[in-house]
Amino acid sequence: AQKVTQAQTEISVVEKEDVTLDCVYETRDTTYYLFWYKQPPSGELVFLIRRNSFDEQNEISGRYSWNFQKSTSSFNFTITASQVVDSAVYFCALSDDTGGFKTIFGAGTRLFVKA
Amino acid sequence: EAGVAQSPRYKIIEKRQSVAFWCNPISGHATLYWYQQILGQGPKLLIQFQNNGVVDDSQLPKDRFSAERLKGVDSTLKIQPAKLEDSAVYLCASSLDSWTSGLESSYEQYFGPGTRLTVT
Repeated sequence: AQKVTQAQTEISVVEKEDVTLDCVYETRDTTYYLFWYKQPPSGELVFLIRRNSFDEQNEISGRYSWNFQKSTSSFNFTITASQVVDSAVYFCALSDDTGGFKTIFGAGTRLFVKA
Repeated sequence: EAGVAQSPRYKIIEKRQSVAFWCNPISGHATLYWYQQILGQGPKLLIQFQNNGVVDDSQLPKDRFSAERLKGVDSTLKIQPAKLEDSAVYLCASSLDSWTSGLESSYEQYFGPGTRLTVT
């Protein structure tokens, strides 16, 4: 069965700290896709990144970086030098072949960045 | 480029009443999704349309929920009659295409602001 676990319900940091959001997934498929979305207070989910199961290269985009490790079924997200505008709920999601590539979301991690 | 539009933004109804939500996807997007997001949880897919056909509605409570996408553009989601547990944010999303296109980038979903429904 497909499952996404985000064990951290809430994280609070002070501005300029680095923070890592954890994501562990379960799937029996060899072909699958992982995503991170940001949901700011306005409510709209914003797509951040997509990674397919055959590409384990880590990715960096500005202050954001993602660490994909198939050996531990994890797809962690790090924000470097956090800013107040990073305050939001972050969702990790999975789409796989067995699920008809339906997107399964984790419960989300609420990040508070204090000035 | 205009984003995904949804209306209304907020709705309060009593249980057993009916309610309808409207979604206008990004122009040219073939695939449209309706998600239900209960407070403190991640979004759950209710129904997915490819143009005006239903691709997946396995998690749609069909005894009370219905959705349509006439002409393959706008979509409406209806709840009749509403229950207390239907209180949630209903999110609409669209993508250029779906996995069938074979193009990964076409699957990126763009979300609307959602409709917050409160059933009392």
